[in-house]
Amino acid sequence: GAGVSQSPSNKVTEKGKDVELRCDPISGHTALYWYRQSLGQGLEFLIYFQGNSAPDKSGLPSDRFSAERTGGSVSTLTIQRTQQEDSAVYLCASSLGGIDTQYFGPGTRLTVL
Amino acid sequence: GESVGLHLPTLSVQEGDNSIINCAYSNSASDYFIWYKQESGKGPQFIIDIRSNMDKRQGQRVTVLLNKTVKHLSLQIAATQPGDSAVYFCAENKETSGSRLTFGEGTQLTVNP
Repeated sequence: GAGVSQSPSNKVTEKGKDVELRCDPISGHTALYWYRQSLGQGLEFLIYFQGNSAPDKSGLPSDRFSAERTGGSVSTLTIQRTQQEDSAVYLCASSLGGIDTQYFGPGTRLTVL
Repeated sequence: GESVGLHLPTLSVQEGDNSIINCAYSNSASDYFIWYKQESGKGPQFIIDIRSNMDKRQGQRVTVLLNKTVKHLSLQIAATQPGDSAVYFCAENKETSGSRLTFGEGTQLTVNP
């Protein structure tokens, strides 16, 4: 079956612009996660959606970052007024919830000039 | 804060040898530990996991060992192949943390033919 997909695969933007990153989770997965991976580093948790519950936004680094999940499926991560330090690979994962295995998408590489 | 980290940033082995990748963690309340493999330009790929009430778990060519006394996790890869070359991350999951994964910084495994 289809895995987690993300789009675009690469995004180059100018400082100060807004960007939207999309994640399509595995069908039937109720939990969806966003992580950020800076060059050569491990993954940093950003936000977590579980079913209809309020999302856990505790990992978002600033109020320029927001995410939504429509209809319990597709999610969009929005970064407003991008800064150079936002440059990273943004990874999405989905799971059946709880401590079930998280399956990752290929990521979106964001470059802020 | 609490984190999961790795002892060595790089590991180089000969094809056919066994590889051992180590991980030290600091959160003794973790429920679950996971090893992921990440190839260049791709998202992390699940390898194997182990729950905190277990000491050892085996998969195909891989074994994960958990020593809760010294908070140490290891991944053993038998008969390492060139296709095993990648960055390996250990990650920690705790249900009370909302099931977010806390990742270590990764070990780059290089398999020499």
